[in-house]
Amino acid sequence: GQQLNQSPQSMFIQEGEDVSMNCTSSSIFNTWLWYKQEPGEGPVLLIALYKAGELTSNGRLTAQFGITRKDSFLNISASIPSDVGIYFCAGQLMNRDDKIIFGKGTRLHILP
Amino acid sequence: GAVVSQHPSRVICKSGTSVKIECRSLDFQATTMFWYRQFPKQSLMLMATSNEGSKATYEQGVEKDKFLINHASLTLSTLTVTSAHPEDSSFYICSAPTLEGAFGTQYFGPGTRLLVL
Repeated sequence: GQQLNQSPQSMFIQEGEDVSMNCTSSSIFNTWLWYKQEPGEGPVLLIALYKAGELTSNGRLTAQFGITRKDSFLNISASIPSDVGIYFCAGQLMNRDDKIIFGKGTRLHILP
Repeated sequence: GAVVSQHPSRVICKSGTSVKIECRSLDFQATTMFWYRQFPKQSLMLMATSNEGSKATYEQGVEKDKFLINHASLTLSTLTVTSAHPEDSSFYICSAPTLEGAFGTQYFGPGTRLLVL
């Protein structure tokens, strides 16, 4: 079945540093989604990507939909303490009623 | 973005009782909703797809008689954990897709923490 490989699994960075994480897949996706989850809460959508090659920003966050449709990355610039959490990538295959496939998450820790 | 709500946010129950969790799309309609469970420090695991007006589709290994799903309207899906046991304690999250983008975008509820004593 489809699998998403998300890396790194965890990151320890200094406040102010930039962050980069990525996901790769053996399958082609038509939509890539990036979510952030904080303890005890549901995932919150950060960025949605709908076209191969698309580069989209949301404040300090930037994500790209890979040309091959098999990968995506998320960058966070100038990290701040509230960026702490777990970031999940997710891929969707065909249409809105198809289930999405999740990566295992990247746990971001920010050192003071 | 779209809003999905869940109720209750947390529930504690005795072993053997049944617990119902509601998932609502507040500002859009959804013919399909999804139910996930999440164990500590793990990713979300899809349990089932809730289909409005028809039977739910369960993922392999998920007992349909244990986790009853009803999608009674275009804005409401319910998950009932029947005869709950301590091993059913988990974080349950629902999602619903909107029409954003060519293929839609999924939004998640805030989750329901279930503790079975």
